[in-house]
Amino acid sequence: EVQLVASGGAVVQPGGSLRLSCAASGFTFNDYVMHWVRQAPGEGLEWISLISWGGGSTYYADSVKGRFTISRDNNKNSLYLQMNSLRAEDTALYYCVKGRTSSTTSCFDYWGQGTLVTVSS
Amino acid sequence: QSALTQPPSASGSPGQSVTISCTGTSSDVGGYEYVSWYQQHAGKAPKLMIYEVTKRPSGVPDRFSGSKSGNTASLTVSGLQAEDEADYYCSSYAGSNDYVFGTGTKVTVL
Repeated sequence: EVQLVASGGAVVQPGGSLRLSCAASGFTFNDYVMHWVRQAPGEGLEWISLISWGGGSTYYADSVKGRFTISRDNNKNSLYLQMNSLRAEDTALYYCVKGRTSSTTSCFDYWGQGTLVTVSS
Repeated sequence: QSALTQPPSASGSPGQSVTISCTGTSSDVGGYEYVSWYQQHAGKAPKLMIYEVTKRPSGVPDRFSGSKSGNTASLTVSGLQAEDEADYYCSSYAGSNDYVFGTGTKVTVL
């Protein structure tokens, strides 16, 4: 059974930093691309970042480019999101999401339960 | 990238069909066969229902079907059941390793 357990969400002040982690199990982690997708309270879904299966290629939505960094450790079956210069509009539930294949055109086939990030003074 | 356009709500009685549209542009929906649909029950994580426009993952009932014409994709739920009441989101690959989601549609089973 695929499991994606995200952690690290917290209340942080504007301008602050946070690192999210996601522990993956139930599949061969290094065979798949991974994504982070977020959902602001009461709002829709927003794709924010993608990392290739090997970790060598990373991609970002314009809304987080230059502030967020996605990474992975295939030895630890873990995905990360380093979030810097946080803004109020970054407040959201952050989902760790498995890609359906190893291709960067792959859709999102398994979603974790999410971890809540609140940016507020 | 602008969000794909979905109707805010849709409804139907049990046993009826409901179709949700998802309108984008030639740079996303119209340009790729990579449209997918997600079901999200209240307080839960989204679940993949349709991928690559028409394909159903294992375990998704065949009451769910997808299609696309030009820049508009559609999800049809046939034989509506109470458990189909949820929010539904479309998504499309938008080129250059970018993705876009729809605005979401709340489906109510009357």
